[in-house]
Amino acid sequence: EDQVTQSPEALRLQEGESSSLNCSYTVSGLRGLFWYRQDPGKGPEFLFTLYSAGEEKEKERLKATLTKKESFLHITAPKPEDSATYLCAVQAHSGTYKYIFGTGTRLKVLA
Amino acid sequence: DGGITQSPKYLFRKEGQNVTLSCEQNLNHDAMYWYRQDPGQGLRLIYYSQIVNDFQKGDIAEGYSVSREKKESFPLTVTSAQKNPTAFYLCASSMGSETQYFGPGTRLLVL
Repeated sequence: EDQVTQSPEALRLQEGESSSLNCSYTVSGLRGLFWYRQDPGKGPEFLFTLYSAGEEKEKERLKATLTKKESFLHITAPKPEDSATYLCAVQAHSGTYKYIFGTGTRLKVLA
Repeated sequence: DGGITQSPKYLFRKEGQNVTLSCEQNLNHDAMYWYRQDPGQGLRLIYYSQIVNDFQKGDIAEGYSVSREKKESFPLTVTSAQKNPTAFYLCASSMGSETQYFGPGTRLLVL
C-alpha cells in the first residue's frame, strides 16, 4: 500500500537554528514528490516538486532533497515567518493523478 | 491573476441539509480535486476529475457528490448522508498529472 510518513509531528526552533523535516514514503513507482507550506486556515502553498533520487531544489532558506526512500526539507537559519505546517505528498505511476499526503510537520520558530 | 477561488469561506449546515461548496479556476487546468482536512490527519481525497463530464471517487466519497459540467468549475455537494461533515475542504487543480495548486479552502461547520 502506498504510504507517506512525516516526522517529527511538531518542531520548535529558535530563530537561526537550522534543522530538517523528514518525509518517508513507500510507493509503487514514484512519479513525483511534492512539498507544500500551509498556514493556519489557508490552503497549501506549493514549494517544490522532486522527480528522481539525488535531485535537490532550493528556495530562500529552504532546500528539498530526495532519495529512493525519503525526502528532507532543510531549513537554514529559520525566521519566525517560516512557522507553518509543511506537507509532503507523493504521486505514483498509477495512471491516475492521485496524490498521497502525509500528516505534516508543524514548525514553530521562536524569535 | 490566475488562480483558484473557493466560496464561501465559512459555511454552516443544519441537520438534514445538503450544502454546496464552490470551486472555480482560471488556470486552464484540466484536472480538479476535492480534499477534506481534519486536525491531525493528512489531506484525504473525496473526488477528482481529469476531464469535463467525468469524475472518479476518491478515498472518502460516501456522503458527497460532484459535477464537472465546465472545465473551470467543480462544485462539491455535502449531502445529509455525510454524518460528520465538520472539516476544512480544499479544492485543487492541475495540468494533467503535474503539480496540484490549491484554493484558500472552505470551513464547514454544523449547527
